[in-house]
Amino acid sequence: GAGVSQTPSNKVTEKGKYVELRCDPISGHTALYWYRQSLGQGPEFLIYFQGTGAADDSGLPNDRFFAVRPEGSVSTLKIQRTERGDSAVYLCASSLMGPPNTGELFFGEGSRLTVL
Amino acid sequence: AQRVTQPEKLLSVFKGAPVELKCNYSYSGSPELFWYVQYSRQRLQLLLRHISRESIKGFTADLNKGETSFHLKKPFAQEEDSAMYYCAFTGGGNKLTFGTGTQLKVEL
Repeated sequence: GAGVSQTPSNKVTEKGKYVELRCDPISGHTALYWYRQSLGQGPEFLIYFQGTGAADDSGLPNDRFFAVRPEGSVSTLKIQRTERGDSAVYLCASSLMGPPNTGELFFGEGSRLTVL
Repeated sequence: AQRVTQPEKLLSVFKGAPVELKCNYSYSGSPELFWYVQYSRQRLQLLLRHISRESIKGFTADLNKGETSFHLKKPFAQEEDSAMYYCAFTGGGNKLTFGTGTQLKVEL
């Protein structure tokens, strides 16, 4: 596709449920990032992948959050036992290369998660 | 820890007036700084980066290592400049860290 694609665009779930958010990066981009944006805040780093491996997962808030990128392209962010505080817009971005030569990040439109 | 600060949540200016969006960072090494912009109902996108030293849509930003600042400036604001602006920073080969953003509103 022409840009980074994220699905679903909106997800409403109940507290305690499991959620998966999908990101399809720009073809050929080796680096993939997940950010979380809460209301009134800037994007907050969660995890980034270089190829298939998670190069830096220091931003994941706790062990309920997990992400995979098994074939070095599409990535899935998984949230177990969702809590109301997980409600946010989850942004995915990709870049041609990762740190330290990051270059421009290309963002998707985000997945808005609401936990009731 | 590396951190970037944008002190203003909202900046309101009249069309044709100069604009300065403030950004300060905390890092002792050589940083790489960016400005990202999000227009209404559009995705977050890169506006400019300090390495390029170019002017994009009339905006410029100069890295001032002495003041640890990377303020975004434009001499004459236009209505289409209304958007959310995020300063972002990376240092030491780490991930990109964003500020909290400044909402720029250009009034007629």
